[in-house]
Parts: sequence; C-alpha cells; structure tokens
Amino acid sequence: GPKVLQIPSHQIIDMGQMVTLNCDPVSNHLYFYWYKQILGQQMEFLVNFYNGKVMEKSKLFKDQFSVERPDGSYFTLKIQPTALEDSAVYFCASSFRESSAETLYFGSGTRLTVL
Amino acid sequence: GDSVTQTEGQVTVSESKSLIINCTYSATSIGYPNLFWYVRYPGEGLQLLLKVITAGQKGSSRGFEATYNKEATSFHLQKASVQESDSAVYYCALGLNSGTYQRFGTGTKLQVVP
Repeated sequence: GPKVLQIPSHQIIDMGQMVTLNCDPVSNHLYFYWYKQILGQQMEFLVNFYNGKVMEKSKLFKDQFSVERPDGSYFTLKIQPTALEDSAVYFCASSFRESSAETLYFGSGTRLTVL
Repeated sequence: GDSVTQTEGQVTVSESKSLIINCTYSATSIGYPNLFWYVRYPGEGLQLLLKVITAGQKGSSRGFEATYNKEATSFHLQKASVQESDSAVYYCALGLNSGTYQRFGTGTKLQVVP
C-alpha cells in the first residue's frame, strides 16, 4: 500500500541545537500531520498542514516548532532550539482529504533524543 | 474534552483463543465521532485496520471486528481466533466531523503465544 517515509529513524542532538525531521508523504496526498509520542504515553497531535498553511495546532506545538513543505518536497518539522522535553518519537502522517473520517497513512517515526 | 481510552497496555493471548481489546471514547465537542482501529507491526508505521463512521454499524477486516456503540461510547476490537502474526500494537482513534485531526488512545500491545 501507500508508504510514508521518515528520515532519519533516529536522531540524537544536544539541547539548544536545531533539528529538522523529514517526511516524504504519499505522493497524491494533500493533508499532512505531525504527532508526538513520549514512551508509554498517548500519541498526541501536534499540527496539520494543507495548501502551504498550518490548519490547526495543539498546545504542544510550541513557538520553537515550525513546519513547511517547500515546492512539494519533504514535509518538515523543525525545532529550534531543542529542549529536553522534546525527546520523543515523532510520527508523520498524510491523507488525501481532511482526516476526521479519512484514513491516515503513517511513517514509522523518528526517535528524537535531546541530551 | 474529546478523548479515547484504552485500559489495557498489554494483552497476552494464546494462539487460536479469542481476543477483546477495549476502547471507550468521550466526544464533548460538536460533531459526530468517526471511529478507527489502527495497527502497528514491528518496524512499521501505523496502518488502518478498520473504521466505522455510522453509529450502530460494525466494521471488519482480517478477522477483526468492532461495533460503534453510541450508547456505551465504546468501540471494542474483537477477534474469534488469534494467530501469532496478529502480535502488534493496536490503537483506537477518534475523528470528529467538526475537527481536522484524529485523537489516539495509548495503544494496546498484543502478544500472541503458541
């Protein structure tokens, strides 16, 4: 079936540095999402993105976070600067339509460790 | 608020036995809930197992089934006879027609033993 690729699968970074997580969504999908999961906890919605703009973001999407998809390439999540509490697995997802009743397609996640 | 609850973090079942994984939801916002079960196999991303968008209906896939029970606000996942290949993490999710994203439960890890 359709695949979402996330690069890298693991990232270790020092607190205060910048990190960019990359997502290659399903090719004809129009809606893109980032979720965050801390070990043992729920996978929490961060942000969604459509037509070059953020549609909705949660309170977890701090000012240090940003998303973009320049020229239809990777959908990226940038954190600048990173903090210890940003350590988590970040999942990217995409869908063809807005997701309330639509199937989401997920990547296998990027495990971010902030030291 | 709107949320999904999965009470079991891990379930161990013997092969060929029956399975039930519990899911209840709370939907306080305006809009009708759409309910999903996703599964994550080791090393892979979440993938849709089944979904139901109409209260009272049952969804089924790969021998699994779940009924959207609006009165009990539940969407339990069941299978009559599990196989070792069903070992995975199962996530219940809720999407509201008034919203733009899906909310997920904490996941239930299923281990099927011989």
